[in-house]
Amino acid sequence: GAVVSQHPSRVICKSGTSVKIECRSLDFQATTMFWYRQFPKQSLMLMATSNEGSKATYEQGVEKDKFLINHASLTLSTLTVTSAHPEDSSFYICSAPGRDNSPLHFGNGTRLTVT
Amino acid sequence: SQQGEEDPQALSIQEGENATMNCSYKTSINNLQWYRQNSGRGLVHLILIRSNEREKHSGRLRVTLDTSKKSSSLLITASRAADTASYFCATDAGNNRKLIWGLGTSLAVNP
Repeated sequence: GAVVSQHPSRVICKSGTSVKIECRSLDFQATTMFWYRQFPKQSLMLMATSNEGSKATYEQGVEKDKFLINHASLTLSTLTVTSAHPEDSSFYICSAPGRDNSPLHFGNGTRLTVT
Repeated sequence: SQQGEEDPQALSIQEGENATMNCSYKTSINNLQWYRQNSGRGLVHLILIRSNEREKHSGRLRVTLDTSKKSSSLLITASRAADTASYFCATDAGNNRKLIWGLGTSLAVNP
């Protein structure tokens, strides 16, 4: 079945540095990918929709310059957290939709800790 | 964005018992989906029910949808310890594939 690979699974970085998270669709093409953020014991919060070959669509309240999204190919989307702060520490998850009404396929998430 | 509400927020049962989780939503939908999330992992799709369907089964899972009440339920029968996870409902209202997520139910199945 469709698989989405997300890397890294865990990352610890220092305040002020940038971190890149990759999301790959392994056996299908994804023109759209979704990036979520999840706080402990809470639901998913959609951050942005990544569109292959064009600019990402950000949700209200999400800083575009802080969370840079690039979707340069049909199988890869990246989220870069720039100038990370401790409050950016969270669980980030990507997903890609299948065809038509088929469900989303999720990566295993990235646990980001900013010290 | 989130508009779904799920209850209960947390559920603890014994192995072998049935677990029922409910989800309510606010707008018209094309379909409603249930996902499972193990702690610290991504989500796994369980079942999708379309707006013109009322009930769907998949193994030990049974999902119902009542569009007049804008609600859905997920029943897990004969639960196992391995069913321990968080369960989320999500509604698909249009063509942009942007799902609206419920707050989730944390299920603990005790051996």
